[in-house]
Amino acid sequence: TQLLEQSPQFLSIQEGENLTVYCNSSSVFSSLQWYRQEPGEGPVLLVTVVTGGEVKKLKRLTFQFGDARKDSSLHITAAQPGDTGLYLCAGAPGNSGGSNYKLTFGKGTLLTVNP
Amino acid sequence: ETGVTQTPRHLVMGMTNKKSLKCEQHLGHNAMYWYKQSAKKPLELMFVYSLEERVENNSVPSRFSPECPNSSHLFLHLHTLQPEDSALYLCASSQDRFRAEAFFGQGTRLTVV
Repeated sequence: TQLLEQSPQFLSIQEGENLTVYCNSSSVFSSLQWYRQEPGEGPVLLVTVVTGGEVKKLKRLTFQFGDARKDSSLHITAAQPGDTGLYLCAGAPGNSGGSNYKLTFGKGTLLTVNP
Repeated sequence: ETGVTQTPRHLVMGMTNKKSLKCEQHLGHNAMYWYKQSAKKPLELMFVYSLEERVENNSVPSRFSPECPNSSHLFLHLHTLQPEDSALYLCASSQDRFRAEAFFGQGTRLTVV
């Protein structure tokens, strides 16, 4: 069974601060996605990383996939209240045989950015 | 129109009731999913449909019955649920079952009393 551990579980910071959240596993994934979920809404896809060591940037958000494709990090620069939400990582199986839909989700990091 | 639309947004039902959740996607995708999101647990994949054929039934109790009449619509029929079934039920779609990126609806918050 593949598991994804996200840390920290909760993070409360002030507007303008930087932060990093982590997504770790002992399993290899063919790709990994990050989603943001706001209260009462469904998760919204932010990014997909595929290649080991890959770095992707989305405005103030920087996503990195570990060299071994077992872990990932999300760094936010100069956080804003609009960044508040539950950040979920999800991995597609490394040896899926075509079943890439079998995503493994972490429990998420709940981020609160205070004005 | 949003890509994936779920109705109703909120549902309260008794344990003897029968109700259905509806999902519609306007993205032209060929795969649709039902997930369950409970407090303090990761999202759990329940059912997967690819081109209207069920390809995954993840050990879900029979009191949950999915239906996929066409590639744009997905239903989850509920009957004789238990209080522990209370959760956020999320519908998602993807281009096909070989693509990992999922596009989620807003969810139905279900409370079983």
